[in-house]
Amino acid sequence: QKEVEQNSGPLSVPEGAIASLNCTYSDRGSQSFFWYRQYSGKSPELIMFIYSNGDKEDGRFTAQLNKASQYVSLLIRDSQPSDSATYLCAVNVGGGADGLTFGKGTHLIIQP
Amino acid sequence: NAGVTQTPKFQVLKTGQSMTLQCAQDMNHNSMYWYRQDPGMGLRLIYYSASEGTTDKGEVPNGYNVSRLNKREFSLRLESAAPSQTSVYFCAILLTHNYGYTFGSGTRLTVV
Repeated sequence: QKEVEQNSGPLSVPEGAIASLNCTYSDRGSQSFFWYRQYSGKSPELIMFIYSNGDKEDGRFTAQLNKASQYVSLLIRDSQPSDSATYLCAVNVGGGADGLTFGKGTHLIIQP
Repeated sequence: NAGVTQTPKFQVLKTGQSMTLQCAQDMNHNSMYWYRQDPGMGLRLIYYSASEGTTDKGEVPNGYNVSRLNKREFSLRLESAAPSQTSVYFCAILLTHNYGYTFGSGTRLTVV
């Protein structure tokens, strides 16, 4: 059974601070990891992907992967009100076409 | 959501009615997916198609059928709609350069 766990929140963070979102996964064979942002009433939008242990940075976003601990995180620096959304963690277990497994998402609120 | 087009955007059905949700892509990718998203349940895979002419069941296939008409189009059919199928349905394609998804804009279906 593939499982991806996230704290549903809401996670409330002051504007300008660092928002830290966490995700754990159950299948040690998981190969690729994704973070999606979903605004209310909209479809998920891919914002980060990571394959290797360590950090990957893209602008204000940093994805962190620790395969030994089966843990993925997303850091958002200098948080803005426009970052308020639900963040979905997703895992591709086999690396192939049989689909991503999603967590239920963390609702992030950036307080002005 | 350029590249993945879903129709219709909204639909209300009566219990027992049938309908087909349409998905078309113009990105020439092989793999296409149907997910449903429910509050508190996250995104769950219904069916997927790894390539033209093939389809496979996902996590929640009961009550649904699919057709991969050609490389561009992947449809989802509800033969006899039930209130439990009230949900938001997303079509997605697999991007081969990072193995993440691009999603369509979604279909909000209500079964009364």
